[in-house]
Amino acid sequence: IAGITQAPTSQILAAGRRMTLRCTQDMRHNAMYWYRQDLGLGLRLIHYSNTAGTTGKGEVPDGYSVSRANTDDFPLTLASAVPSQTSVYFCASSPQQGGYEQYFGPGTRLTVT
Amino acid sequence: GNSVTQMEGPVTLSEEAFLTINCTYTATGYPSLFWYVQYPGEGLQLLLKATKADDKGSNKGFEATYRKETTSFHLEKGSVQVSDSAVYFCALSEPRDDKIIFGKGTRLHILP
Repeated sequence: IAGITQAPTSQILAAGRRMTLRCTQDMRHNAMYWYRQDLGLGLRLIHYSNTAGTTGKGEVPDGYSVSRANTDDFPLTLASAVPSQTSVYFCASSPQQGGYEQYFGPGTRLTVT
Repeated sequence: GNSVTQMEGPVTLSEEAFLTINCTYTATGYPSLFWYVQYPGEGLQLLLKATKADDKGSNKGFEATYRKETTSFHLEKGSVQVSDSAVYFCALSEPRDDKIIFGKGTRLHILP
């Protein structure tokens, strides 16, 4: 059982370029999340999805978009990357929203130059 | 709104020392409480959880008790090892919420 996979593991991206971070889970969880973790800081929620076909904005959604076409996949897109989006990005999933633990992927380290 | 406050780090201890990382919370309802651990270069892993008052979560020698009267969920371990060096996050989630609320994390260094 893989759990949650993220791709790529790391990426260096020129400012202004478009980038999609991939996230796939095989646990049939309804809820999925995207976080960013900057050096020395905790996690900040970017976007979330309570079930396939729905998405919501988190704490820091600007510059990012998501889609949830099916249960397993939850890609995060940076339409036009900026250096302030340099961070480690974690995808997570949960059986349901509210009251349940989340399971995290290994992360994608993104550097925008 | 809901919030989680945990002690500032870094915390540095010698191997076999007793560990306490304090965590207090504010919630309007009856949340579930969690401790997560993040080892260097990895994602967060659930360490333990408690879903109601007076529940004790435990795993890998770590324990935390859900104290509603003091709104606390302190993490403890009787004898830490070098391999416990990591960042620890306290978190809460209420049934009516879309999200988990995480504390800012406490970095733990264990010296051999």
